[in-house]
Amino acid sequence: GQNIDQPTEMTATEGAIVQINCTYQTSGFNGLFWYQQHAGEAPTFLSYNVLDGLEEKGRFSSFLSRSKGYSYLLLKELQMKDSASYLCAVRDRGSGTYKYIFGTGTRLKVLA
Amino acid sequence: DVKVTQSSRYLVKRTGEKVFLECVQDMDHENMFWYRQDPGLGLRLIYFSYDVKMKEKGDIPEGYSVSREKKERFSLILESASTNQTSMYLCASSPLGDRYEQYFGPGTRLTVT
Repeated sequence: GQNIDQPTEMTATEGAIVQINCTYQTSGFNGLFWYQQHAGEAPTFLSYNVLDGLEEKGRFSSFLSRSKGYSYLLLKELQMKDSASYLCAVRDRGSGTYKYIFGTGTRLKVLA
Repeated sequence: DVKVTQSSRYLVKRTGEKVFLECVQDMDHENMFWYRQDPGLGLRLIYFSYDVKMKEKGDIPEGYSVSREKKERFSLILESASTNQTSMYLCASSPLGDRYEQYFGPGTRLTVT
């Protein structure tokens, strides 16, 4: 079946580094996305991986290992405004057309 | 900037009412999606459309229908609202192509009483 797992909650300190993991099982993997969602707001795109390796974008990096069905989002130099939910999503072509499958999200609290 | 707008931020309806949720995008995107988001369940796909008048069922289409008469507009219809359809509804759009991310609207929080 199709499944995405990520931790429900994480807490970290301002200025620190945090890694949010995501594991997935899909039949037709076609890319992995990370989104940020502040409370009461829409998700916004952070990063995209389709090949193995690390993609870096300023303070945010995302890693993918297709053989392990594993990704992580790395946030450096944490700021209070990074307190949000982080959604892992996989695009899947399992049934001909593609769909996006979302994890339940990881709520990150950044403490002063 | 891509803009996805939804007709209402908050909506309260009674059980049995027919409910229309409208979504409009201004970037000529081919793909449009409707999700609902519930605590502990994440975003779940209701329906999506990859072209005008085309639609595909997502994971939870029961109790919903959709309409896409124009490229920029994708409507979600609750034929007879029920209390278990109380949720946050999010619309998204994306261009054709593998790399493109989805752009989300602000969401409609629907309460069915």
